[in-house]
Amino acid sequence: NAGVTQTPKFRILKIGQSMTLQCTQDMNHNYMYWYRQDPGMGLKLIYYSVGAGITDKGEVPNGYNVSRSTTEDFPLRLELAAPSQTSVYFCASRGGGRNYGYTFGSGTRLTVV
Amino acid sequence: QQPVQSPQAVILREGEDAVINCSSSKALYSVHWYRQKHGEAPVFLMILLKGGEQKGHDKISASFNEKKQQSSLYLTASQLSYSGTYFCGTENGGSQGNLIFGKGTKLSVKP
Repeated sequence: NAGVTQTPKFRILKIGQSMTLQCTQDMNHNYMYWYRQDPGMGLKLIYYSVGAGITDKGEVPNGYNVSRSTTEDFPLRLELAAPSQTSVYFCASRGGGRNYGYTFGSGTRLTVV
Repeated sequence: QQPVQSPQAVILREGEDAVINCSSSKALYSVHWYRQKHGEAPVFLMILLKGGEQKGHDKISASFNEKKQQSSLYLTASQLSYSGTYFCGTENGGSQGNLIFGKGTKLSVKP
C-alpha cells in the first residue's frame, strides 16, 4: 500500500518550459487535491477533484491545469513556467467522505529559473 | 479566508506544555490539525467536527469551539519528536471538503 505517490521529487525548469507533475494514489479515494507551499505562507489550494472526470479550481489556479481520467491519477500541468511558480507542490487524497483527514504525497520541489 | 494561527513560533524544553490556537472568521464544518517536519509532507493528526468536541491521542489533544470558530491544539509533556510545524486546516460548510490552511506554528523542542 504505497499511499500517495508524487513524481518527480525535484525539478528545475527554465522560464517558458512546461511540465507535468504526476500524482497517483492506490487507496481508491475519490477526493484529490493539489496544493503549493511557499515559505511562511501555509498551503494554497490550486485544483481539486471530487471524482474521476470532475475537477474544479481552488484558490490559486492561474498557470496550471489538471485532469482526472481515473480515480488513481491526478496530474498537474504547468504551462509556460514562470519564476512565481517556484514552490513545493503537494498532492493529497481523502477517502471516506468529509470526516476523514488528508493523506499527502512526499512533494515535488520545483525551481523555475 | 485563511485561518489565523498563534503563536507563529514557540520554543520548549522537553516535558513542557504548549497550546497552539487557530481562529477563523467563517462558520466551520470541521478543523484539521497536521504536523510537518522539515523537508517532509504534512501528516494528519486529528479532525474535529462541527458540534464542538475534544479529541486526543497520546499527549496531543485538541478542542473545537464552534460558536467562536476557534480550535486549540494541546501538546503536553512535549518530546523531541514533537518538533515541527503545525498547521490547522479549516473546512467551511459549502467547501466540498476543501481545506484552507493557516500559515503554521513552528514548534521547537529542546533537550
